[in-house]
Amino acid sequence: EAQVTQNPRYLITVTGKKLTVTCSQNMNHEYMSWYRQDPGLGLRQIYYSMNVEVTDKGDVPEGYKVSRKEKRNFPLILESPSPNQTSLYFCASSAGTASYEQYFGPGTRLTVT
Amino acid sequence: GDSVTQMEGPVTLSEEAFLTINCTYTATGYPSLFWYVQYPGEGLQLLLKATKADDKGSNKGFEATYRKETTSFHLEKGSVQVSDSAVYFCALGKGGSEKLVFGKGTKLTVNP
Repeated sequence: EAQVTQNPRYLITVTGKKLTVTCSQNMNHEYMSWYRQDPGLGLRQIYYSMNVEVTDKGDVPEGYKVSRKEKRNFPLILESPSPNQTSLYFCASSAGTASYEQYFGPGTRLTVT
Repeated sequence: GDSVTQMEGPVTLSEEAFLTINCTYTATGYPSLFWYVQYPGEGLQLLLKATKADDKGSNKGFEATYRKETTSFHLEKGSVQVSDSAVYFCALGKGGSEKLVFGKGTKLTVNP
């Protein structure tokens, strides 16, 4: 089954404690992205990757890091989380650029206290 | 820059009512247009898409027509069901760009 998986699904942490949210896809997609979803703001792109070792900033990259060492994986790293990063995070992948269908993971709800 | 504006929600309807969710866009070039749906507790999934002017996307009884003259892509369904309760996002994407631009979402609740 074609899918994008994320872990963990829920995470409560404290300010400053480094965390990683994993994302994996089994569709051999080149393009992967991270979004955050906040009430009244819709989805905003954090980072994207066009292929292995190729990543670039989206609209709201501050406070986040990513890496793309393998085609299937695209982890999101928060080195020093702050309460304003409390949000719902989605990973997505697609076979091409933004005119292609995006496949989304189930989401990770992060709370930073 | 490119942008998508969709009607504010929430929208509450009775079962079998007619649904319209308005979406207009601003973009240079020739974007593809999408409607994504997010069911409670799940990620987004593609509902329908249209890639050029006058194209009609359709799926699960939902339809939307790409209107270049009015820069619109309104979502319609003739008879909604309780199972259609979800958040609906209009979005645009352009070939060669890695960025999908989303509207803010419209929450639909359908009551029995």
